[in-house]
Amino acid sequence: DAGVTQSPTHLIKTRGQHVTLRCSPISGHKSVSWYQQVLGQGPQFIFQYYEKEERGRGNFPDRFSARQFPNYSSELNVNALLLGDSALYLCASSLGRLGADTQYFGPGTRLTVL
Amino acid sequence: QQQVKQSPQSLIVQKGGISIINCAYENTAFDYFPWYQQFPGKGPALLIAIRPDVSEKKEGRFTISFNKSAKQFSLHIMDSQPGDSATYFCAASLKTSYDKVIFGPGTSLSVIP
Repeated sequence: DAGVTQSPTHLIKTRGQHVTLRCSPISGHKSVSWYQQVLGQGPQFIFQYYEKEERGRGNFPDRFSARQFPNYSSELNVNALLLGDSALYLCASSLGRLGADTQYFGPGTRLTVL
Repeated sequence: QQQVKQSPQSLIVQKGGISIINCAYENTAFDYFPWYQQFPGKGPALLIAIRPDVSEKKEGRFTISFNKSAKQFSLHIMDSQPGDSATYFCAASLKTSYDKVIFGPGTSLSVIP
């Protein structure tokens, strides 16, 4: 079975631009979560979506938004990019059922903001 | 209250030795404590996890010890191998939101021959 896939692998943007990152969950998984991992730190929770609805949001500004599609894939959008948005963006999927606790992470998208 | 603390920041162990990473948390509502392993250029992968009603869990060379009263837990890697060289993250999540994982800052482990 294919794991969580993310695209693109790498991305270079300039300040002020916007970016869209994409994630395809493991087949059968209905929950998708997004994390930001700055170099040398642990991942920070950004969003969780389940059945196309936002289930959780971390402490990130409104420049960050996301959505989930009927096929459970997801997009993370970041507007008005800042240098500090440079990071590895991770997507994770899970069954999403209460008690189903294992998340599986994708390889991430490396975003560089110049 | 949502923070998970982790030490040491980096660790060098000789092949065959025991690697020990310690973590602490504040929020007593945390219900699930996973450990993730991350290799360069890869996403974190679940290594082993424990719930607070269990004091120890062992899977192969990896053991989690959990002290609920002290709000501390640790990962022991027995017979450490060069292939174990990676960054390890302890983490925690709430029963109501298992998918919102709070990660520690990470420990970079190097196992030298």
